[in-house]
Amino acid sequence: AQSVTQPDIHITVSEGASLELRCNYSYGATPYLFWYVQSPGQGLQLLLKYFSGDTLVQGIKGFEAEFKRSQSSFNLRKPSVHWSDAAEYFCAVGAWQAGTALIFGKGTTLSVSS
Amino acid sequence: DVKVTQSSRYLVKRTGEKVFLECVQDMDHENMFWYRQDPGLGLRLIYFSYDVKMKEKGDIPEGYSVSREKKERFSLILESASTNQTSMYLCASSRQGIGTEAFFGQGTRLTVV
Repeated sequence: AQSVTQPDIHITVSEGASLELRCNYSYGATPYLFWYVQSPGQGLQLLLKYFSGDTLVQGIKGFEAEFKRSQSSFNLRKPSVHWSDAAEYFCAVGAWQAGTALIFGKGTTLSVSS
Repeated sequence: DVKVTQSSRYLVKRTGEKVFLECVQDMDHENMFWYRQDPGLGLRLIYFSYDVKMKEKGDIPEGYSVSREKKERFSLILESASTNQTSMYLCASSRQGIGTEAFFGQGTRLTVV
């Protein structure tokens, strides 16, 4: 069965420091992978997605993610974190066939210290 | 700009009430979803629909039902609200096809007292 694991429940990073959020997936074929961000009290916004091709994917707000098939990982990175990046981040694996739903990890909460 | 709109941001209902959560999308998407979000549990799929009048159970359908009479509208119904249904409810939609991204509404924070 498809699944997504985000090993870190909560991470605190200093403003200006680099960030890496981990995501591991279990999937039987080529995965479609997503990162979403949720600010407090809001819905989810898509940061980036991987379908195929270049394994380093660029997204909005200066985020990027790297797909590593050998490690079944899709980690999210940002070189310099801003206070406004404090939010909850969700990794998801995409529909494996038409008419199915995204499967989400449990999320990682990012706090940014000054 | 694409939009998924949930009718209420906050709702307070009494135990035993029948509750309707409404969701409308303006992107002509075939798929629509209802998720429930609780701290430490992430997003859990309640129901989804891939076409008008079609529905599929997700991971936690007990205590819920859905209705999709029109393509743009997907309603979540709590037949008899209970305190353990206090949660954030998120509606989403996506195009038909493999690996399509989902667009989310702002969420409805439901409190059952």
